[in-house]
Parts: sequence; C-alpha cells; structure tokens
Amino acid sequence: DGGITQSPKYLFRKEGQNVTLSCEQNLNHDAMYWYRQDPGQGLRLIYYSQIVNDFQKGDIAEGYSVSREKKESFPLTVTSAQKNPTAFYLCASSSGASQQFFGPGTRLTVL
Amino acid sequence: AQKITQTQPGMFVQEKEAVTLDCTYDTSDQSYGLFWYKQPSSGEMIFLIYQGSYDEQNATEGRYSLNFQKARKSANLVISASQLGDSAMYFCAMRGLDSSASKIIFGSGTRLSIRP
Repeated sequence: DGGITQSPKYLFRKEGQNVTLSCEQNLNHDAMYWYRQDPGQGLRLIYYSQIVNDFQKGDIAEGYSVSREKKESFPLTVTSAQKNPTAFYLCASSSGASQQFFGPGTRLTVL
Repeated sequence: AQKITQTQPGMFVQEKEAVTLDCTYDTSDQSYGLFWYKQPSSGEMIFLIYQGSYDEQNATEGRYSLNFQKARKSANLVISASQLGDSAMYFCAMRGLDSSASKIIFGSGTRLSIRP
C-alpha cells in the first residue's frame, strides 16, 4: 500500500538534546513538507522540499533542520535551539498541484 | 500574501442535521486550489474535497460539498446528514497555482461536535 510513514509515534526528549523525526513516503511524490501543530491550533509550516537535495524554510524554521538526500525520505531534526519543541509533528507529501497526503504524526514531548 | 480565515472555532450540531463550516481566503494568484481536511482526535489529516478556482461547478464528494463563491472569496464546506463520526477538527487550505513554488496554507480550523 502506498502512503506516508512517520516514526516514532511518540517521542520524549530531554532538554538540550537533538532528536530526529523520520518521514518516509512510497507515493513517488516530489514534494514533502513538515508541519508543527500545537494543541487546539492549526498547522504551521516548518520546512518543505520540492525536489531532492533542495529545501526551503517555512514560517517557523528556527530550531529545526532537514535533509532531502532521497526522494522517499525527509527527516526533521529538532535541535536544542528550539525553545518549545513539545508539539504534534505532521509530515506530508504531494505531487504537482494535488492535495497533500499526510502521515500519522509524531507527538514530541520535552521532559 | 495568501491567507485562510476560519471564523468558527467550534460548532455543535444535532445528529442528522446539515452543517456549514465557513472559510474565506485571500490570494493574488489568478489560479488556485482549495482543500478541506478532517482531523479526528487520532491526529491524522484526512483529505475531504478539492475545488479548483476555474471549476465552474461546486465540488461534491459523498456527503461533502463545497459552496464556492469566487467573488466573495469563500469556500464553505457543507456536510449533509451529519453523523457522530463527523466530530473532528476541520481545516480549510489553499494553494496558489500561478507559481510552481507555492505551498499549501491552512486556516486555524473549526472543531465540530455532533450531538446524538
């Protein structure tokens, strides 16, 4: 089955640690996206990539980093510079102007 | 700049009634696409319906229809015969199509609760 997988589903981080969230898709989509969602809020774009080896900052990129070495993979690293990282993180992909397909999300909690 | 506005933070509707979720947008693109997503408590984002700015007819998908009024820049979602399983957050989204580099932007969402 085609789709997007995110791992882990739940992630706990100590303050000062970097953590990496995984996002993999087998839909052959060129574009991939990372969003952050805080409780009761909408989605805010962190980073997006429209092609391998290229990515752009979204609205809230500070404290985050990404890579796009393969078409299928778009990992997100939450660095220690991100002061309030506790949130729900959603990865998505799309092809052309079509709708975005979303993964199941990762809930990150800072202890 | 592009913007999506959802003015209803929360709504309560009786089961089997129809419900309209409001969405207005602003864009300078001549061509654009409008989307609605449903987010249940599990967190997954489920695509519901799409409307292109040049589509002459309102989009429909089962119990979902999109009331597209281009001159008013509104793209309201109508759910007919609501069910308990419709209780969720609903997000309106838009992508400008004039540039291949455009990204989808989301509104702040409406929490819909269906009463039995």
